[in-house]
Amino acid sequence: AQSVSQHNHHVILSEAASLELGCNYSYGGTVNLFWYVQYPGQHLQLLLKYFSGDPLVKGIKGFEAEFIKSKFSFNLRKPSVQWSDTAEYFCAVNSGRALTFGSGTRLQVQP
Amino acid sequence: DGGITQSPKYLFRKEGQNVTLSCEQNLNHDAMYWYRQDPGQGLRLIYYSQIVNDFQKGDIAEGYSVSREKKESFPLTVTSAQKNPTAFYLCASSIDRGGTSGANVLTFGAGSRLTVL
Repeated sequence: AQSVSQHNHHVILSEAASLELGCNYSYGGTVNLFWYVQYPGQHLQLLLKYFSGDPLVKGIKGFEAEFIKSKFSFNLRKPSVQWSDTAEYFCAVNSGRALTFGSGTRLQVQP
Repeated sequence: DGGITQSPKYLFRKEGQNVTLSCEQNLNHDAMYWYRQDPGQGLRLIYYSQIVNDFQKGDIAEGYSVSREKKESFPLTVTSAQKNPTAFYLCASSIDRGGTSGANVLTFGAGSRLTVL
């Protein structure tokens, strides 16, 4: 079975700091990759996705992620975080069944 | 507005009781999913259904059951055989059935929080 690893469980940043959240997956075949976000009190929602083509994908609210096939990674980045980015972030992989999610990273942005 | 409705939002159950969580979608999506969310463990797949009258076990199906008699409905029953049922349960749907060509972009409901007393 495939697995998804998110190594940062809890990240605390000040506003305007840069963000990078790690995501590694175990499946070696064709994958579709996702980042979902859960803001406090809100539904899980899609942040960005990669299916094919340019490995650098851009999502909502200034987020981007880079797919590096050789490293089985799909790290999430944002150059300058805002207080409103405080949320839990989940990486997910689809290898042909349903999505497999990582354990999540809780991001706390301090004003 | 199209979306996924989960009910109840909060549910308390005594040990030994079965409980059914409702999930309804009006998005005309083919596939539906149940995930369990626990702190520090992310989302774990319980069951999924890619078409009416068919469903498959996920990674943690033991102690749970589902049905898919209608396209828009995918109820989850937490049985007394589930050893640790206290959790947050999320229902989701996607327009396609997955597979290597599938997008599996999931739309989530607001969740149901089950507490066993």
